[in-house]
Amino acid sequence: SQQGEEDPQALSIQEGENATMNCSYKTSINNLQWYRQNSGRGLVHLILIRSNEREKHSGRLRVTLDTSKKSSSLLITASRAADTASYFCVPGIINTGTASKLTFGTGTRLQVTL
Amino acid sequence: DAGVIQSPRHEVTEMGQEVTLRCKPISGHNSLFWYRQTMMRGLELLIYFNNNVPIDDSGMPEDRFSAKMPNASFSTLKIQPSEPRDSAVYFCASSSGTRNEKLFFGSGTQLSVL
Repeated sequence: SQQGEEDPQALSIQEGENATMNCSYKTSINNLQWYRQNSGRGLVHLILIRSNEREKHSGRLRVTLDTSKKSSSLLITASRAADTASYFCVPGIINTGTASKLTFGTGTRLQVTL
Repeated sequence: DAGVIQSPRHEVTEMGQEVTLRCKPISGHNSLFWYRQTMMRGLELLIYFNNNVPIDDSGMPEDRFSAKMPNASFSTLKIQPSEPRDSAVYFCASSSGTRNEKLFFGSGTQLSVL
């Protein structure tokens, strides 16, 4: 399978706490992206980490990548109710074609309560 | 830029009718993806194009589905004849630059086939 597998499937935390989501994949990659989808809306790109990077930050987001373990994690610090959404990881699969197939898993459903 | 534009936002049709979904990618983007999202199957990649050429259509469910990209600024996804099981949200996304760059999603078309 070329898609990432997110874990856990669902996560419920209180506002202010940190949320950690994990992603595993099976093939060699060029990069890995994380996306967010609020209920009933389109997906929004959060962050892209390249295969030669180990960690990347963007605001309250911290992403790690371990290519030896074929895994990534997304940490959201000081969560807010507005972070309630589904989160998806998308491995950018190495291939010899002109464009890469970007497929989505089932995601992690994050619920942040007040 | 207005982002990826999809039309219509909502479509309700009767079984057996032809349905055409439209997408205008972001100007300058050279890759375009069509996805379908349902509760049961999640977010499925149907087909994607690079420089207006279909690269992989292995996700197209059956011959009733067809997609075209006659030029860099327009793509269509057609279902003929439509069936109730085609009811879903259909998303279009585009990306620019080299392979595996981030996807920009449209707001989706909510299709209901009665």
